[in-house]
Amino acid sequence: DAGVIQSPRHEVTEMGQEVTLRCKPISGHDYLFWYRQTMMRGLELLIYFNNNVPIDDSGMPEDRFSAKMPNASFSTLKIQPSEPRDSAVYFCASSLKPHTDTQYFGPGTRLTVL
Amino acid sequence: GDSVTQMEGPVTLSEEAFLTINCTYTATGYPSLFWYVQYPGEGLQLLLKATKADDKGSNKGFEATYRKETTSFHLEKGSVQVSDSAVYFCALIGAGQNFVFGPGTRLSVLP
Repeated sequence: DAGVIQSPRHEVTEMGQEVTLRCKPISGHDYLFWYRQTMMRGLELLIYFNNNVPIDDSGMPEDRFSAKMPNASFSTLKIQPSEPRDSAVYFCASSLKPHTDTQYFGPGTRLTVL
Repeated sequence: GDSVTQMEGPVTLSEEAFLTINCTYTATGYPSLFWYVQYPGEGLQLLLKATKADDKGSNKGFEATYRKETTSFHLEKGSVQVSDSAVYFCALIGAGQNFVFGPGTRLSVLP
């Protein structure tokens, strides 16, 4: 398997623009996670899905952030409008089961908002 | 709520030195415990895990034992290499399926 795939790898945008990050989980994995990593706050769980349904979005920072999973092989994280404080590395991860199973991380998308 | 505490970094060691990175946790019930490693420019990858008390996880010379009595999961390696330089994250999945990562500990190994 190719592992978790994320695109783009790097994104530079201007404040106020819409940003869409994409993720393809490992085939057969029922759980998908979106994380944000910054120097100040470390690794934060934003939201996770089970069988395409959002289970816990309590980590989503505000209404500017939204995530969807229209099918088992694709998810998006959208920021609209973007702000400089959104600059971070965003990771997608997937797993077979949540409680005891390994999460497989993608390579991340480095977002810079100017 | 559930939480993970890791020793502050960075940690700098000479090659072949002994490594310990402390991790303690707070959680209700019996969480599963993990160590992940992140190499520069990459995503996190699982290093080892333990799902019940007294289990020992091991991989690539690294070990950690799930100690319920001290709520700890310390990472150890007997002889580190330059290639072990990375950031190490302790993590847990709680009984309520809450996912918590520690702040990470940066390890630098000098030749």
